Amino acid sequence: GAVVSQHPSWVICKSGTSVKIECRSLDFQATTMFWYRQFPKQSLMLMATSNEGSKATYEQGVEKDKFLINHASLTLSTLTVTSAHPEDSSFYICSARRGSPKETQYFGPGTRLLVL
Amino acid sequence: EDQVTQSPEALRLQEGESSSLNCSYTVSGLRGLFWYRQDPGKGPEFLFTLYSAGEEKEKERLKATLTKKESFLHITAPKPEDSATYLCAVQVAQGGSEKLVFGKGTKLTVNP
Repeated sequence: GAVVSQHPSWVICKSGTSVKIECRSLDFQATTMFWYRQFPKQSLMLMATSNEGSKATYEQGVEKDKFLINHASLTLSTLTVTSAHPEDSSFYICSARRGSPKETQYFGPGTRLLVL
Repeated sequence: EDQVTQSPEALRLQEGESSSLNCSYTVSGLRGLFWYRQDPGKGPEFLFTLYSAGEEKEKERLKATLTKKESFLHITAPKPEDSATYLCAVQVAQGGSEKLVFGKGTKLTVNP
């Protein structure tokens, strides 16, 4: 199968601090990784798309200086929420895909972020 | 604007009571339609991909179909373990790349 992991699974932090979330593809090489945010009873909203070795492409309305994405290898992408505020509290989910756009996106288990 | 609408928002079934979930979409260029299952507090789990109208795929008690404007997820004789939120997503072109646009999901509860 295609397994994607995320770490940590949940995190609580104080307002103003930065939080880093890792996303790993465990049994395949992910050319492209995606980061989503999901609020309660809402759709998954795409935040950004990252290709290995390239700068991430952010969706409209997502601040790239606040949500830093690094896709340094074919198995690892990180999302850093800088200077987190309570409104950043959400469920962050990554997905990973092999080369072609026709390939399936496989999702990680998600990271619950609570900013106090 | 690309839109995906799922109905109903919530569905309660008795064990063994078959039904269908709907996903209607308006997109500029459909590259594919995906169905995922999401359990509470977890990430989505891939179920099916459909690429062209008339296509059908099956997996155990689930069957997905696709027309030019909508997709159905048919659940035959469901069991309590089928309880979850079912998400539909369409893959659309975006610049030189593509992305998934998700619906809000249908929360399915199957009572024993």
